[in-house]
Amino acid sequence: QIQLVQSGPELKKPGESVKISCKASGYTFTNYGMYWVKQAPGQGLQYMGWINTETGKPTYADDFKGRFVFFLETSASTAYLQINNLKNEDMATYFCARGEPLGFDYWGQGVMVTVSS
Amino acid sequence: DIQMTQSPASLSASLGETVTIECRASEDIYNGLAWYQQKPGKSPQLLIYNANSLHTGVPSRFSGSGSGTQYSLKINSLQSEDVASYFCQQYYDYPPWTFGGGTKLELK
Repeated sequence: QIQLVQSGPELKKPGESVKISCKASGYTFTNYGMYWVKQAPGQGLQYMGWINTETGKPTYADDFKGRFVFFLETSASTAYLQINNLKNEDMATYFCARGEPLGFDYWGQGVMVTVSS
Repeated sequence: DIQMTQSPASLSASLGETVTIECRASEDIYNGLAWYQQKPGKSPQLLIYNANSLHTGVPSRFSGSGSGTQYSLKINSLQSEDVASYFCQQYYDYPPWTFGGGTKLELK
């Protein structure tokens, strides 16, 4: 069955970096784009961008240009989100999702990132 | 970028009731719209794509309709397991794949 399994919760200090993984299984990894979505506590869903799993080319939404990095380990069918120079406003749950042309049909379970000094 | 405005932000309904959630796009999205359900503490799940097509395994009490800039999600005969937040998302003009602000559905 198709699954996206993300890494565990993270507790970081402001200014540190965090790397979140999203391991795909049950389908051909390079046939679908991987998307990232942020959800701040008690808030809605915010589209962060996506990475082309065939070429490795990332595309970032405007609010996520600069400190956010998407990359792949294709041999392991794994996508990563790295956030550098963490800020308090980065405290959220981060989801990966498989992108179909018609929506995001499978989602990871989410990774809660806590930023606290 | 296309903006998506969802209403209402919250909704309280009784078991068995019919519920409708609206989503308005800032410009025509030509049915390029998906609806997601997110239960508390869980990840979102795709319910509907192309504005009115039910995703695999989604109960038939859920339906989507609309065109142009106005879309709606209807839940017939509300069940307790439908308590969740619901989000619309446009994918006609991307990037970005814009989400609506969400509707939190509770039981009365």
